[in-house]
Amino acid sequence: SQQGEEDPQALSIQEGENATMNCSYKTSINNLQWYRQNSGRGLVHLILIRSNEREKHSGRLRVTLDTSKKSSSLLITASRAADTASYFCATPAATSGTYKYIFGTGTRLKVLA
Amino acid sequence: DARVTQTPRHKVTEMGQEVTMRCQPILGHNTVFWYRQTMMQGLELLAYFRNRAPLDDSGMPKDRFSAEMPDATLATLKIQPSEPRDSAVYFCASGLGDRLFSGNTIYFGEGSWLTVV
Repeated sequence: SQQGEEDPQALSIQEGENATMNCSYKTSINNLQWYRQNSGRGLVHLILIRSNEREKHSGRLRVTLDTSKKSSSLLITASRAADTASYFCATPAATSGTYKYIFGTGTRLKVLA
Repeated sequence: DARVTQTPRHKVTEMGQEVTMRCQPILGHNTVFWYRQTMMQGLELLAYFRNRAPLDDSGMPKDRFSAEMPDATLATLKIQPSEPRDSAVYFCASGLGDRLFSGNTIYFGEGSWLTVV
């Protein structure tokens, strides 16, 4: 089963608007990562947030983490057409001694020029 | 730039044929993952290796799929015999296992796009 579930599944906005995507997960984690996937390409790492952090910024990206609610959000400010992609959250599996990452279902973002 | 290299990028094969996908992880990375991506199931973890040893292949159909790491620079995923339902994009990813759980990036290849007809 999926560890992370993104919401919404799809999002369409105008260029310049902000885009917010949410991720919920099921088990305790010590970090959460967001990845981006352009159509026909592999996933690319965007940002990592640790469990002792509540918010993190990277350029136009802002990530929040609420461990009490087991949720994270990714905000892209001043979106551009080039931000059109699918966005995934990834969390480490909660099995000791293993190092696998489980990905959510993804949010498909379309930014209209 | 260091990158994960996957071959073939695209493969069309007939049902029943054997398919082998190859992956060259980033030099120095000791953990290799195989993921499968479909519209219906999203990204599924099939198998992963650490220091060439298989740690978990519970996500992989054992009757027809096999994954190996003959050496540190090569990981393979084999399907025999292939079926139309295996049509998907297969991604290989690598990372530094000792630091992954505490938070370190994994790097993806561009994927092998498999179509079984």
